[in-house]
Amino acid sequence: GEDVEQSLFLSVREGDSSVINCTYTDSSSTYLYWYKQEPGAGLQLLTYIFSNMDMKQDQRLTVLLNKKDKHLSLRIADTQTGDSAIYFCAESPNDYKLSFGAGTTVTVRA
Amino acid sequence: KAGVTQTPRYLIKTRGQQVTLSCSPISGHRSVSWYQQTPGQGLQFLFEYFSETQRNKGNFPGRFSGRQFSNSRSEMNVSTLELGDSALYLCASSGSGDTGELFFGEGSRLTVL
Repeated sequence: GEDVEQSLFLSVREGDSSVINCTYTDSSSTYLYWYKQEPGAGLQLLTYIFSNMDMKQDQRLTVLLNKKDKHLSLRIADTQTGDSAIYFCAESPNDYKLSFGAGTTVTVRA
Repeated sequence: KAGVTQTPRYLIKTRGQQVTLSCSPISGHRSVSWYQQTPGQGLQFLFEYFSETQRNKGNFPGRFSGRQFSNSRSEMNVSTLELGDSALYLCASSGSGDTGELFFGEGSRLTVL
């Protein structure tokens, strides 16, 4: 998705925190999402944040939203090997579709 | 309840052929979307259907078409296949909640030789 940008790769040591960053362009997006894709599988919704929120925490996941800068981040605490996957940021321009970033491949090393 | 089901999971076709992919949404979901995923282009929106009506369409040539049936099941068709059509085709369904969350199937992996 050309309207959503994210870094392509992240390598993190097991037990450390991972932070994945994303910038989006459509300020009318009501919700912003983080999806996870494991090899050979479809996309799984990890979490979402309403556009009038600054932060949302869900167990090991923390989402931060800076609406002024159109910046979204996902922090995974205590990263585990099972967190190795591709993570997609997505915005919803309210026209019955989601626009996805290119995905960040997270590799967790022992 | 059962998730989004896509068939077939894998298929191989040759250039010039046509292909039909099927998607059964989560029970009760009336919106079905299709996305194409390739290493080079990422996730690209194809189209979205709601109650048998196409509400939005992505920037794909007319060779790509879709439809939705009265039971919300959806199919997409690609005619005159090209090598570049090789991709993972993902179907997603959405319910009536206002979060816009999409529930994805595992995809149909198409290889065009």
